[in-house]
Amino acid sequence: DQQVKQNSPSLSVQEGRISILNCDYTNSMFDYFLWYKKYPAEGPTFLISISSIKDKNEDGRFTVFLNKSAKHLSLHIVPSQPGDSAVYFCAASAWGAQKLVFGQGTRLTINP
Amino acid sequence: DTAVSQTPKYLVTQMGNDKSIKCEQNLGHDTMYWYKQDSKKFLKIMFSYNNKELIINETVPNRFSPKSPDKAHLNLHINSLELGDSAVYFCASSLRGPEGQPQHFGDGTRLSIL
Repeated sequence: DQQVKQNSPSLSVQEGRISILNCDYTNSMFDYFLWYKKYPAEGPTFLISISSIKDKNEDGRFTVFLNKSAKHLSLHIVPSQPGDSAVYFCAASAWGAQKLVFGQGTRLTINP
Repeated sequence: DTAVSQTPKYLVTQMGNDKSIKCEQNLGHDTMYWYKQDSKKFLKIMFSYNNKELIINETVPNRFSPKSPDKAHLNLHINSLELGDSAVYFCASSLRGPEGQPQHFGDGTRLSIL
């Protein structure tokens, strides 16, 4: 039972445009959500997070939006740069569960 | 200045062997984790330790035994390796448990069973 789902395995975006990565979850107990970026042969790197008391969090070019009623979150990258090409994982945790549950990742390719 | 380092990066061995993967973090974090990324690319929690104490054992076969000699180290020993153990294993750490805290990952150990 996959509690965190990223339904798009890949996404291709033109440099300078907006990249939007989506994530859905099923567990209503999740209250903390994160996005990680992963390059080949490296570990995931933390990008940005949001708690369930907020619906938006922004950090430079990265913004995460949370829609609790739809159990959906998204990561917006504006403007997209070639160095953003990577696999992006969303993850979630529930208070007291002591673990992160990851989606299966979306491969983002930024085209020059 | 690697924050979370794990060794070795690659491990190729035969079925039935016993092997260990080491992990160290220099971030002063209290909690450490082991994750397995299988062939379908899912990252799944295996174990978490808080200050050397086991917090989570996510129904991992008992051939896998984590050991935490101190809160900066969490090693993973695997007995009687099987073909299905082939995967990338990631170590991670966080300041406290994952609630409200991002986890920092090592670069992974790619384990291949022949």
